[in-house]
Order: sequence, then C-alpha cells, then structure tokens
Amino acid sequence: QVQLVESGGGLVKPGGSLRLSCAASGFTFSDYYMTWIRQAPGKGLEWVSYISSSDTTTYADSVKGRFTISRDNAKNSLYLQMNSLRAEDTAVYYCARGRTVVPNWFDPWGQGTLVTVSS
Amino acid sequence: DIQMTQSPSSLSASVGDRVTITCRASQSISSYLNWYQHSPGKAPKLLIYSASSLQSGVPSRFSGSGSGTDFTLTINSLQPEDFATYYCQQSYSTPITFGQGTRLDIK
Repeated sequence: QVQLVESGGGLVKPGGSLRLSCAASGFTFSDYYMTWIRQAPGKGLEWVSYISSSDTTTYADSVKGRFTISRDNAKNSLYLQMNSLRAEDTAVYYCARGRTVVPNWFDPWGQGTLVTVSS
Repeated sequence: DIQMTQSPSSLSASVGDRVTITCRASQSISSYLNWYQHSPGKAPKLLIYSASSLQSGVPSRFSGSGSGTDFTLTINSLQPEDFATYYCQQSYSTPITFGQGTRLDIK
C-alpha cells in the first residue's frame, strides 16, 4: 500500500538548520508531485512547498530563501532542507503525495515529524 | 494569495446528525477545492477532491458541492469517528491555501 514516513525532526536553536526526510513506498515515486505541509501548535494546516516530477519547485513566501525541497527518485525519498530556522517554524511537518499533474490534491499524508525551534 | 474562510470555526453535533461546513474563497477558484479530515494524532485524510468527487474508500455519507467561491461539505448521519477537524484547500493557484479549519465536537 502507499506509505509515507517522515523523519529528521527535533529540537534546534533559532538560526539553526535541519533536514527532513520522507521515505515513500507503494507507488511510482518519480511520477508524482510531492509536498510538505506543516501545522504549528494549535494552528491550522499551512502549505510549505512542493516539487514536481520534473523537479520544478514552489515555496510559500514564509519559507522562500530559507527552505529547499528536493527529491531522490532512486531512493524514493523527499527532503526538506531548513536553514535559518525561526521560532515560528515550530510545527509538525507532513509530507504528502500530490498528483501526476496539476491541479494538486494531497493523498496520502505521512504521520508527521515535529520540529521545535527554541533556545 | 487566495484566502479561504471556513464557517463555522467549531460546531457541536450528535451521532446521527447531519452537518454542513462552508468554505468561501476570496476569488473564484472554479471547482479546484478539496476537503480533508484531521483527527488528533493521525495523518490528515483526503475526503473530497474537485469540489464534489468522493475519494476512494471514503464513506458515502460525506459529500461536497459548490463552484466559484462558495463550497460546502456535508456529513450525513454522523458517526463517532467523524468527530475531527475539517479543512478546505484550494488548488487553483499557488500558494496553495487552506481554510482555518472547522472543529466538529460531540454534543
């Protein structure tokens, strides 16, 4: 079955860096858009970034220039490199599968990995 | 950016009730509207895509309607597992945006 498993979350100081990973299985990973979506404590869902099957990337303004999304189709893996982290980046980060074409809806989602930015 | 506004922000209902959640876009998004269910500690789940198409495996008591700027999610005959938070999401343009969520509690 289609499965997504995130890893790499943890506690990091403001200004620090962290790299999230998402391991995919059960589908032809290289064919699909993949996305990162986050949920800050007590808040709603916020789209962060997505990457197309041809490696075209798009970012929310709140992370542009600080976060980089990438994929390794040989490893069926999605990544999010997060630099210059701020307290407001504290959230559970979910990876989710999009579609093979736009427009995107997201299914399934992983269970999420918690990123805490605090001194 | 397209703003998505859900109403109500929360509601209480009983098992067996019918509930309707509304989502309004700040500009026309055609039918590029999706609905998700999020229960605490679980991964969000796609319920409805393209405003009215039921995702495979989702019970038929869930339905969606609307186009342009106004959309609704209806849940008929609420079941205990339906008490969760619901989000709409527009896929008309980037940045992709979600509504603020509607929390559905047991009365």
